[in-house]
Amino acid sequence: QKEVEQDPGPLSVPEGAIVSLNCTYSNSAFQYFMWYRQYSRKGPELLMYTYSSGNKEDGRFTAQVDKSSKYISLFIRDSQPSDSATYLCAMSDWGAQKLVFGQGTRLTINP
Amino acid sequence: GAVVSQHPSWVICKSGTSVKIECRSLDFQATTMFWYRQFPKQSLMLMATSNEGSKATYEQGVEKDKFLINHASLTLSTLTVTSAHPEDSSFYICSASAWGQGPYEQYFGPGTRLTVT
Repeated sequence: QKEVEQDPGPLSVPEGAIVSLNCTYSNSAFQYFMWYRQYSRKGPELLMYTYSSGNKEDGRFTAQVDKSSKYISLFIRDSQPSDSATYLCAMSDWGAQKLVFGQGTRLTINP
Repeated sequence: GAVVSQHPSWVICKSGTSVKIECRSLDFQATTMFWYRQFPKQSLMLMATSNEGSKATYEQGVEKDKFLINHASLTLSTLTVTSAHPEDSSFYICSASAWGQGPYEQYFGPGTRLTVT
């Protein structure tokens, strides 16, 4: 079993839709939860991070962490074609710098 | 701020040769650099972690003699793929972080695409 599981998709939705991306994990020591966006043949860029459980909102993006269920989500509201990319979740435990990535979900927003 | 560059962005080499990839932090001192490998439509797999001035720590299953990592300064780390073979063809990405920063403060380079013929 992988430490972090993420549905690879691909996921295709119309412009303006609400997108939900999810990851599950098995390591209860994870404390930091990150979401990255990666465009084709580019390095990942950090979208949001959350420490421990709870919600965090940044513009059209909302990250949720449910440590009891070992489940994290990223919601994108009013999705735009420019949001088309691969979205990767990543996690790390307290004091560590190593990131464990999910497989990534390929998202396409259709105009 | 927090810009990381990689060079080259794309390299093609013949089987059996060695190729060096550079990773530079342009506007901060990177005490730690990480090297990842990413196959098409797959996730990033950590290969090794290097702290400036120390030997790199390799992840299980990564051949240290094949993937040589040097982190001789606070702004530069290099990955040398020795005796490259077609199965080494992949997208190599580095990231860098400064002392005391959290795991979310790991800044990624744009990646290097290696094709071994």
